[in-house]
Amino acid sequence: NAGVTQTPKFQVLKTGQSMTLQCAQDMNHNSMYWYRQDPGMGLRLIYYSASEGTTDKGEVPNGYNVSRLNKREFSLRLESAAPSQTSVYFCASSEHVATNEKLFFGSGTQLSVL
Amino acid sequence: DAKTTQPPSMDCAEGRAANLPCNHSTISGNEYVYWYRQIHSQGPQYIIHGLKNNETNEMASLIITEDRKSSTLILPHATLRDTAVYYCIVRVDGGGGADGLTFGKGTHLIIQP
Repeated sequence: NAGVTQTPKFQVLKTGQSMTLQCAQDMNHNSMYWYRQDPGMGLRLIYYSASEGTTDKGEVPNGYNVSRLNKREFSLRLESAAPSQTSVYFCASSEHVATNEKLFFGSGTQLSVL
Repeated sequence: DAKTTQPPSMDCAEGRAANLPCNHSTISGNEYVYWYRQIHSQGPQYIIHGLKNNETNEMASLIITEDRKSSTLILPHATLRDTAVYYCIVRVDGGGGADGLTFGKGTHLIIQP
C-alpha cells in the first residue's frame, strides 16, 4: 500500500518550458489536492478536486492547470514555467467524509525554474 | 475557517514532554482543531484532531480549553525524530466541500539531545 505517489521527485526547467507533475493514490480516496511550499512558508493550496470529475481553484491557482484523470490520479500542469514557480509541490488525498479531513501527503516534487 | 497563532519555534529536551500551544480565539462552534507535522523534506503527516473533548492516540494528546479558544498538543516523551514543524489548523468538518486545509507557518520544534 503505497499511499500517495508523486513523480518526479526533482525537476529543473527553463523559463517558458512546460511540464506535468503526476500524482496517484491507492487508498480509494474521493478528494485530491495540490499544494506548493516556498522556503520558510506554510503550504498553499493550488487546486483541489473534491471528487472524480470536478476541480476547483485554491489560494494560488494562477499559472497552473489540473486534470483529475480518474479517481486515482490528479495531475498538475505548468504550461509556461516561471522562476516564481520554483517551489516544492505536494499532492495530497483525503477520503472526505463528514467526520474528518485527514489528509495524506506524498513526498513532494522539488521544482526549480531557471 | 478561524485563524490560528503559534510560536515560531520551541526547544524541548529529549525524553521530556513537548507541549505545543495554539491560539484560535475566533473558533466557531462547529470547527475542529487539527494538528499536522512536517519533518524536513517530507510531506505533512496527520497527528490528531478534536472538537472539544481531549483526545489521545498513539502519537500525541490534544488538550482543548473549555472555551475552545486555545489548545495544546502534547508529545509525551519527545525523541529526536519528533523534530519537525507542527501545524495547528482549525477547520469546519464536512462543511461545504473538500477544499483542503489551510496551513500557516507552524511551530518549529527542536528536540535537544
